[in-house]
Amino acid sequence: NAGVTQTPKFRILKIGQSMTLQCTQDMNHNYMYWYRQDPGMGLKLIYYSVGAGITDKGEVPNGYNVSRSTTEDFPLRLELAAPSQTSVYFCASSTGNDQPQHFGDGTRLSIL
Amino acid sequence: GDSVTQMEGPVTLSEEAFLTINCTYTATGYPSLFWYVQYPGEGLQLLLKATKADDKGSNKGFEATYRKETTSFHLEKGSVQVSDSAVYFCALSGGSSNTGKLIFGQGTTLQVKP
Repeated sequence: NAGVTQTPKFRILKIGQSMTLQCTQDMNHNYMYWYRQDPGMGLKLIYYSVGAGITDKGEVPNGYNVSRSTTEDFPLRLELAAPSQTSVYFCASSTGNDQPQHFGDGTRLSIL
Repeated sequence: GDSVTQMEGPVTLSEEAFLTINCTYTATGYPSLFWYVQYPGEGLQLLLKATKADDKGSNKGFEATYRKETTSFHLEKGSVQVSDSAVYFCALSGGSSNTGKLIFGQGTTLQVKP
């Protein structure tokens, strides 16, 4: 199994541009998450989903949007990129509450 | 709200030394506790977990015991290797939330020298 796959691995954006970070999982997990990791910090939750068609905000949702039309996919959209969104983004999935999360390898995003 | 606090790093040890990384938490309800490890350039991997008080999680020589009385989940290993060099994250889920969200500590960098 591939697990959780994130694309792209690296990206440089200009201020004001938009892009979508892709995340797909092949484990049939209902729960999916997007985190950002800033240097020297733990991971902060951006958005999460407990099933197809259901999404909710996490700790730091401003400047991002998500959708969950299928169980497998959970894309994260940046509409107007800002330097403060320079970070490493991780997607994760799990089978439910209190269960371990499986992480992708991350997308390193720089906004210049 | 729920929170996790880890000891500051970096921690630098010689090979075969004893490792302790402290982790304490604040949570309502009965959270599950986790240690994740992140190797350079990779995503996080689950190292071990404990779901209730006095549970001991263990994996690859690492251990942590869920101590409700001290709200702690300290990570230990008796003899570290160079290959253990990584960033270690303590995390909790459950507690006041039933959405599976993980609350992370800030991470502790471990460097093991030969």
